[in-house]
Amino acid sequence: GQSLEQPSEVTAVEGAIVQINCTYQTSGFYGLSWYQQHDGGAPTFLSYNGLDGLEETGRFSSFLSRSDSYGYLLLQELQMKDSASYFCAVDMNYGGSQGNLIFGKGTKLSVKP
Amino acid sequence: AAGVIQSPRHLIKEKRETATLKCYPIPRHDTVYWYQQGPGQDPQFLISFYEKMQSDKGSIPDRFSAQQFSDYHSELNMSSLELGDSALYFCASSSPGQEYEQYFGPGTRLTVT
Repeated sequence: GQSLEQPSEVTAVEGAIVQINCTYQTSGFYGLSWYQQHDGGAPTFLSYNGLDGLEETGRFSSFLSRSDSYGYLLLQELQMKDSASYFCAVDMNYGGSQGNLIFGKGTKLSVKP
Repeated sequence: AAGVIQSPRHLIKEKRETATLKCYPIPRHDTVYWYQQGPGQDPQFLISFYEKMQSDKGSIPDRFSAQQFSDYHSELNMSSLELGDSALYFCASSSPGQEYEQYFGPGTRLTVT
């Protein structure tokens, strides 16, 4: 089976940097994605790591280490609008399967003034 | 830019009734996914379609079925509704080769009373 672990809650202040970690145990794995979801809203794609290393997209960066079964999402220059839930997800694209996402439980980020 | 369209946005049904949720993916996206998200939970993969053929099944109850039509829209049919089916149902779509980057619709909030 597949399981992803991430902290349930994180609190930070505006302008700060926060890192949300994700460890996973999967059988069959293609890459690690990150999604943002505001309360009542739809998940929105943020970043993807198909290879080990760092991917940078504006204020957001994501990292993957397959040997450690570990990844993280780094959010810089935090803004109030970044308050949301952040999900890591593994892309199960293998053996003919077409990329259904297995999500972690989500990390609720609260940004304080 | 066109987004994923879902209808209805809200639906209230009684126990043992049936419900049909509709999804219109982004044009030229070849894969459609359905997810169920309970309150405070992560999205759970239900079923996916690739080029109108069922691709993969997740935790979809036998009471539910889905199909994708010739115009690529998809419908999720839910019968013998139970209180526990109350949730947000998201449809998502992805473009060829980018299954990790899924575009989610706004969701249908189903309430079973």
